[in-house]
Amino acid sequence: KAGVTQTPRYLIKTRGQQVTLSCSPISGHRSVSWYQQTPGQGLQFLFEYFSETQRNKGNFPGRFSGRQFSNSRSEMNVSTLELGDSALYLCASSLAGAQDTQYFGPGTRLTVL
Amino acid sequence: GNSVTQMEGPVTLSEEAFLTINCTYTATGYPSLFWYVQYPGEGLQLLLKATKADDKGSNKGFEATYRKETTSFHLEKGSVQVSDSAVYFCALSEGAGGTSYGKLTFGQGTILTVHP
Repeated sequence: KAGVTQTPRYLIKTRGQQVTLSCSPISGHRSVSWYQQTPGQGLQFLFEYFSETQRNKGNFPGRFSGRQFSNSRSEMNVSTLELGDSALYLCASSLAGAQDTQYFGPGTRLTVL
Repeated sequence: GNSVTQMEGPVTLSEEAFLTINCTYTATGYPSLFWYVQYPGEGLQLLLKATKADDKGSNKGFEATYRKETTSFHLEKGSVQVSDSAVYFCALSEGAGGTSYGKLTFGQGTILTVHP
């Protein structure tokens, strides 16, 4: 089976712009979770989607949003980018969320200038 | 809330040395516990997991036992190799419902460097 894929792998944006990141889960997985990884804060949970519905959300401002499509692919969007949004964004898929094992993609490295 | 605490790094070892990375957790329910590894420039790879007390997860020579009485999930390997150099993350998953869906809570990560 193909693993979790994320596109693009690298992005450079300037402050105030918006960005959309994409995640394709493992075939058959219906849950997609997103995480932000930074040197200072470590790995932090952004949100989780299952069957096109957001079931859980972390403690991030409303500038961070996401959605999931009927084929389980997911996108996350960050509007009005700030320098502090520079990070590695990881998505993970699992069969149904809950305590299922999550499998991670390679991440998208976002740099905000 | 839930939390995971890992031993401070970095950890530097010689090849064939014994490895222990300590991990303790705080959780309200009955979490599943995981160890993930991250190599430079890559995402996280699942190393091993345990879903209930006294379970032992193992993979590629690494082992960890779910100790509910001490709320710990320490990672061990008897003989490390240079190729084991990476960042190791301990994580927990609380389960279904409310603020638990699809959420892993991670420790801060431990950098391991193995020298020949």
